[in-house]
Amino acid sequence: KNQVEQSPQSLIILEGKNCTLQCNYTVSPFSNLRWYKQDTGRGPVSLTIMTFSENTKSNGRYTATLDADTKQSSLHITASQLSDSASYICVVSHRQAGTALIFGKGTTLSVSS
Amino acid sequence: EAGVAQSPRYKIIEKRQSVAFWCNPISGHATLYWYQQILGQGPKLLIQFQNNGVVDDSQLPKDRFSAERLKGVDSTLKIQPAKLEDSAVYLCASSLVAGWDEQYFGPGTRLTVT
Repeated sequence: KNQVEQSPQSLIILEGKNCTLQCNYTVSPFSNLRWYKQDTGRGPVSLTIMTFSENTKSNGRYTATLDADTKQSSLHITASQLSDSASYICVVSHRQAGTALIFGKGTTLSVSS
Repeated sequence: EAGVAQSPRYKIIEKRQSVAFWCNPISGHATLYWYQQILGQGPKLLIQFQNNGVVDDSQLPKDRFSAERLKGVDSTLKIQPAKLEDSAVYLCASSLVAGWDEQYFGPGTRLTVT
């Protein structure tokens, strides 16, 4: 069964600290993996997209890594800011035309001052 | 460029009533998606359109949910009659062409069924 599992479910960190969110997937065949940020009351916004041949992708203070062999990805946030408080969703695309994305349940990050 | 527009942003109805949501995708985007996001969950695809044709509606509860995309642009999602478990955020997204292209999400419509 194609699944995407994220951990931890929620996380609280102090402003300025770093954190890492985890994503494990069983989707096969795999096309690409995305990380989305979803602010409360908003739709998800894409942070990174990686194909199976990419190991890392950065977007400002966000760095995603991908290990296609172990089917694991992580999202590292550096020097966190209050505005990073949001839900971070890992999404895996199945390599078939017209197939929808498979979403994880997300990790809720709270950054406090 | 303008993003995906959705309306209304919030809706409260009683069970057994009907409700409709509207979505205007990014101009030129051929693919349109409707997702249901229950609190604490990731989005779940309800229906995917390619232009005005349905690509995937396997998870759409067809006894009560319907969707259309006339002329391949705007889309409406309807629930009739609503149940308590339909309380969720309904997200519309669009992408340029294929199913794995970058998807751009609208702000969503938060539905509360009482």
